[in-house]
Amino acid sequence: GQNIDQPTEMTATEGAIVQINCTYQTSGFNGLFWYQQHAGEAPTFLSYNVLDGLEEKGRFSSFLSRSKGYSYLLLKELQMKDSASYLCAVRVAGGYQKVTFGTGTKLQVIP
Amino acid sequence: DGGITQSPKYLFRKEGQNVTLSCEQNLNHDAMYWYRQDPGQGLRLIYYSQIVNDFQKGDIAEGYSVSREKKESFPLTVTSAQKNPTAFYLCASSISTGVETQYFGPGTRLLVL
Repeated sequence: GQNIDQPTEMTATEGAIVQINCTYQTSGFNGLFWYQQHAGEAPTFLSYNVLDGLEEKGRFSSFLSRSKGYSYLLLKELQMKDSASYLCAVRVAGGYQKVTFGTGTKLQVIP
Repeated sequence: DGGITQSPKYLFRKEGQNVTLSCEQNLNHDAMYWYRQDPGQGLRLIYYSQIVNDFQKGDIAEGYSVSREKKESFPLTVTSAQKNPTAFYLCASSISTGVETQYFGPGTRLLVL
């Protein structure tokens, strides 16, 4: 099976940088997703990593180390609207490439 | 405007009643999924469909049923056998069940009266 760990909650200040970590144990790893989910709304896709390294997309960057089973999402120049839950999800290879979601990290941005 | 729609936004179920949640997509995606989200838990897969007229059980299929008669539509029925149906239900779709990203609908919140 798969096991995904993320911190439950984090707090950061507007304008600052925050790093949300995700560790996973899985067999047949075939990619890692980050989604943003505002309360009561659907998750929206942020990033996808399948190879080691850093993927940058505006204020958001995502890093993957497959050998360590580790990823992080980096949010720069935090804005109040970034207050949301951030879901880490891992895909495994196979006939049906199942995606397993972590429980999410609730980020609160304060003034 | 392409996207995924779910209806209703809120749904109330009485004891012993079956209810059906709608999910429609006009993205021309082959694969569709149903997830359940409970507080403090990750999204859990209920059912998925890789193609029209085919669907498979996910991790928590008991008490649920689906159909996939059209590419655009993947309705989920919550039956009376599901003893704890109160949750936020999310439908998603992707081009296929390969490496493509899943995109989510706005969700339906089901409450038991």
